Amino acid sequence: QKEVEQNSGPLSVPEGAIASLNCTYSDRGSQSFFWYRQYSGKSPELIMSIYSNGDKEDGRFTAQLNKASQYVSLLIRDSQPSDSATYLCAVRGGEKLTFGTGTRLTIIP
Amino acid sequence: GAGVSQSPSNKVTEKGKDVELRCDPISGHTALYWYRQRLGQGLEFLIYFQGNSAPDKSGLPSDRFSAERTGESVSTLTIQRTQQEDSAVYLCASNPWVDTQYFGPGTRLTVL
Repeated sequence: QKEVEQNSGPLSVPEGAIASLNCTYSDRGSQSFFWYRQYSGKSPELIMSIYSNGDKEDGRFTAQLNKASQYVSLLIRDSQPSDSATYLCAVRGGEKLTFGTGTRLTIIP
Repeated sequence: GAGVSQSPSNKVTEKGKDVELRCDPISGHTALYWYRQRLGQGLEFLIYFQGNSAPDKSGLPSDRFSAERTGESVSTLTIQRTQQEDSAVYLCASNPWVDTQYFGPGTRLTVL
């Protein structure tokens, strides 16, 4: 079992709709959870971090964490074409971040 | 201030040659990470530095890979006797603590 799993996609969402990205992790001792966005040919950039169960909102982005289910998600409201990218889930256990393989999201105008 | 920088941005080499990839972290960042990203894949952890010590080298794929860091400054990733499967983008990231990593632009390595 991979340590951090994401649906590889591609995920296509109409402009203005909600995009939902999911991630599961295997290490119950994981402490911190992150979502990175990576445009094609570019480096990952951090868009959300979450540390405790529940929801965390930042603008159009909401991260959700459920440690009992070992599940973290990212919701993007009012999706824009500029949101088209690969979204990487990352989980910290100890001093290392482990990344999922990413979900490619395409927003259809 | 300046972000994480990496050099070269692109490197094309012949199979069997050695290459050195450089990372300049953000000033004051104590932690530095190297990752490898093959085309269409996620990030593969290689090595982590805290200061100039490397508590976790578990991701280095073989003994052809090595890395060092000078103090809390520059790090160099060296790949000896390069193979075609080493072709990838090599990303460096730094952060003041473990969380919130800031990535450099990467070095695209192509082994012919």
